[in-house]
Amino acid sequence: GEDVEQSLFLSVREGDSSVINCTYTDSSSTYLYWYKQEPGAGLQLLTYIFSNMDMKQDQRLTVLLNKKDKHLSLRIADTQTGDSAIYFCASSYSSASKIIFGSGTRLSIRP
Amino acid sequence: DTGVSQDPRHKITKRGQNVTFRCDPISEHNRLYWYRQTLGQGPEFLTYFQNEAQLEKSRLLSDRFSAERPKGSFSTLEIQRTEQGDSAMYLCFGGKQGGNTEAFFGQGTRLTVV
Repeated sequence: GEDVEQSLFLSVREGDSSVINCTYTDSSSTYLYWYKQEPGAGLQLLTYIFSNMDMKQDQRLTVLLNKKDKHLSLRIADTQTGDSAIYFCASSYSSASKIIFGSGTRLSIRP
Repeated sequence: DTGVSQDPRHKITKRGQNVTFRCDPISEHNRLYWYRQTLGQGPEFLTYFQNEAQLEKSRLLSDRFSAERPKGSFSTLEIQRTEQGDSAMYLCFGGKQGGNTEAFFGQGTRLTVV
């Protein structure tokens, strides 16, 4: 069945780059997403990538997709304290079908 | 503010009681999803509406759960005979036809069953 897996925790020093990794099982996923959840707040779409792309860059965010290995990563450059949150990797078959989420990676920033 | 409103934000209920949650999406959102999120987990899909039609239900949705979307606007999720395992955050997700990237989550309703 559909499954999305990611590591639970990541700790980085302020100013360093953060790389959050994810693997998914459904090779028919055409949309892959990264959502951010801050304490007490709802889920916010950070960025997404189509399955026919290898990379997408959006300001400090870089998404890399290895479709062969079904591996997705999110790189946050110059990580700031405001980046502390839980990051969810997610996939969907199409842009309008249900989204399957991973368990989330908690990113903590140390000074 | 995503424009997707959920009510109530918090609900504490005794085991065995019925509860109902409401989601008000943006008027253009013809697609509406309900998800459930427990501590330390990602959101799990429960059910999906396109306008007023309920098109998909997860196996997670037991007979005690029912969802409606009359007139294709707001939606309600009812849980009958609540159990402690129903304690979770219930999230509503609304979007336009053909666009998860233009869809938004509400703030959620946190249910605690005691």
